[in-house]
Amino acid sequence: KNQVEQSPQSLIILEGKNCTLQCNYTVSPFSNLRWYKQDTGRGPVSLTIMTFSENTKSNGRYTATLDADTKQSSLHITASQLSDSASYICVVSVITGTASKLTFGTGTRLQVTL
Amino acid sequence: NAGVTQTPKFQVLKTGQSMTLQCAQDMNHNSMYWYRQDPGMGLRLIYYSASEGTTDKGEVPNGYNVSRLNKREFSLRLESAAPSQTSVYFCASSRQGNEQFFGPGTRLTVL
Repeated sequence: KNQVEQSPQSLIILEGKNCTLQCNYTVSPFSNLRWYKQDTGRGPVSLTIMTFSENTKSNGRYTATLDADTKQSSLHITASQLSDSASYICVVSVITGTASKLTFGTGTRLQVTL
Repeated sequence: NAGVTQTPKFQVLKTGQSMTLQCAQDMNHNSMYWYRQDPGMGLRLIYYSASEGTTDKGEVPNGYNVSRLNKREFSLRLESAAPSQTSVYFCASSRQGNEQFFGPGTRLTVL
């Protein structure tokens, strides 16, 4: 069973609208949580990273929140653009020795339309 | 600065054939990783190399071997390809414990 669950699986919104993507995780011990954006046919690219002590982190129109007590995170996209069409992946990290081990959610596929 | 590069971008194999996926990074990162991405599943770690000269199994290592050739290069080998290995393969690299940077992926089909 995947220890990082994302919802919704897919979402279609109109350009200019806002949306919020959800992530629930059970991975422990928790080191940090990242949101990645993956365009079709490309590798994931990091949007935000938060440690357990951080509640919110912004990157332009992307704002991520984290509640380490309930093990929930969200990614809010403001004033969506066509270029925001992509999969958004929630990733929880555990530090083991000198390498970081990541547990990936299955992603939310976002489509922004005119 | 190319980041993480992977070759080839696409590959079609017949069952039983072998091949090596190549990965190189120019960011002077110590750690490198190989993942596979399948529909409806999150990326899964195949093997990783925490530093030059070391490799360790990830979540799904069966049917694969790796070589950390030097600090820059980390290859993934399929000795006898099976249809279950049809997937998109991503290489990534990171400084110790920090953000992982991903390559563009190799789309592999095994017939």
